[in-house]
Amino acid sequence: AQKVTQAQTEISVVEKEDVTLDCVYETRDTTYYLFWYKQPPSGELVFLIRRNSFDEQNEISGRYSWNFQKSTSSFNFTITASQVVDSAVYFCALSEAASGTYKYIFGTGTRLKVLA
Amino acid sequence: GAVVSQHPSWVICKSGTSVKIECRSLDFQATTMFWYRQFPKQSLMLMATSNEGSKATYEQGVEKDKFLINHASLTLSTLTVTSAHPEDSSFYICSARGQVSNEQFFGPGTRLTVL
Repeated sequence: AQKVTQAQTEISVVEKEDVTLDCVYETRDTTYYLFWYKQPPSGELVFLIRRNSFDEQNEISGRYSWNFQKSTSSFNFTITASQVVDSAVYFCALSEAASGTYKYIFGTGTRLKVLA
Repeated sequence: GAVVSQHPSWVICKSGTSVKIECRSLDFQATTMFWYRQFPKQSLMLMATSNEGSKATYEQGVEKDKFLINHASLTLSTLTVTSAHPEDSSFYICSARGQVSNEQFFGPGTRLTVL
């Protein structure tokens, strides 16, 4: 069965620290997609990245980077030199092609607090 | 990028009344729309999936008679919470998927408070 686990419920860091948010997924499908979203206090989801199961290349976008490892079924997200504006809840999500509708299964989220 | 709107952004209603939430894809045709519910400090839980012109598919545990979903056109889906009660108070988020991509585009959400 498909499942997404974000074991870290809440993380607090001091500004400029690096922080890694963990995401472990379970799927039997060979074609699937992984996502990260940011949800600030306003509630609106902000898309960060999408990865398909055939592309294990790591990605860097400014201070953000993602490490996708199929061998450990993980898709971790690192923020370098964190800033107060990074404070939000971050969700990892999985979408399987086998579902037909590509519905998303979300992890429980990690609340990140960056202290000034 | 693809834009999805929701209306209203927030609504307060009395217990027992019905509330309709609209979800629109503004610049693309959405063959599939999804409705999620998010309680405070919890994750998004998929309520139902709807395809244009057909009945919605509800997730286990979601009352289809209470949460009526209509997807009458390729750009509009509505969620009606019938006979709302305080326990229905939540943040409702819709998303839409186009004909080509499997990616979902999310609306800004509707905060429902039932008194």
